Amino acid sequence: DIQMTQSPSAMSASVGDRVTITCRASQGISNNLAWFQQKPGKVPKRLIYSASSLESGVPSRFSGSGSGTEFTLTISSLQPEDFATYYCLQHNVYPRAFGQGTKVEIK
Amino acid sequence: EVQLLESGGGLVQSGGSLRLSCEASGFTFNTYSMTWIRQAPGKGLEWISTIRPNGDTTFYADSVKGRFTISRDNSKNTLSLSMSSLEAEDTAIYYCAKGGWCDSLGQGTLVTVSS
Repeated sequence: DIQMTQSPSAMSASVGDRVTITCRASQGISNNLAWFQQKPGKVPKRLIYSASSLESGVPSRFSGSGSGTEFTLTISSLQPEDFATYYCLQHNVYPRAFGQGTKVEIK
Repeated sequence: EVQLLESGGGLVQSGGSLRLSCEASGFTFNTYSMTWIRQAPGKGLEWISTIRPNGDTTFYADSVKGRFTISRDNSKNTLSLSMSSLEAEDTAIYYCAKGGWCDSLGQGTLVTVSS
């Protein structure tokens, strides 16, 4: 089974900061990776699919990159509404696997 | 607009059974795989099962294999999850999701297993 490892598990950042979250797959998954955002008490929302494609309506400050085993989610200029937990999901093979999550907190 | 409405959650004793349902609308249900994921209190997201569009192929996480059964009724646009031999560790919010890549999630239904 493929394991997904996110780093960091948590981070503190300020409004306006550039934020990068990494997700590593234990085996190659091509570009079959999605990123989700979850705010406290809310339903997770998919931001990015196929590693780098932005969902409709998602601000352009979010971007994704990578292929194979290493992927990144970048927020170019962190906004107050971006403080949340982010998860990656490999959708290349079954069983699917989420990363453990990265909590982005206010510094 | 995609809508997914889960139901069937509740409080159940350890060893008990429960059946969750998800009513889908806003897309052509019988052309999409459908997925259940869950989130234990204060924990991350966990994929638990996916079923192909015509229901002939199913996939399960090891944590639920042999205890949970995913099914679908394409005539009613409904996804189901039958859960048996429930354990305290199954306590979670259960979300249904569209597709094998979870492009939309429902609001979730809470399952609480008391020991």
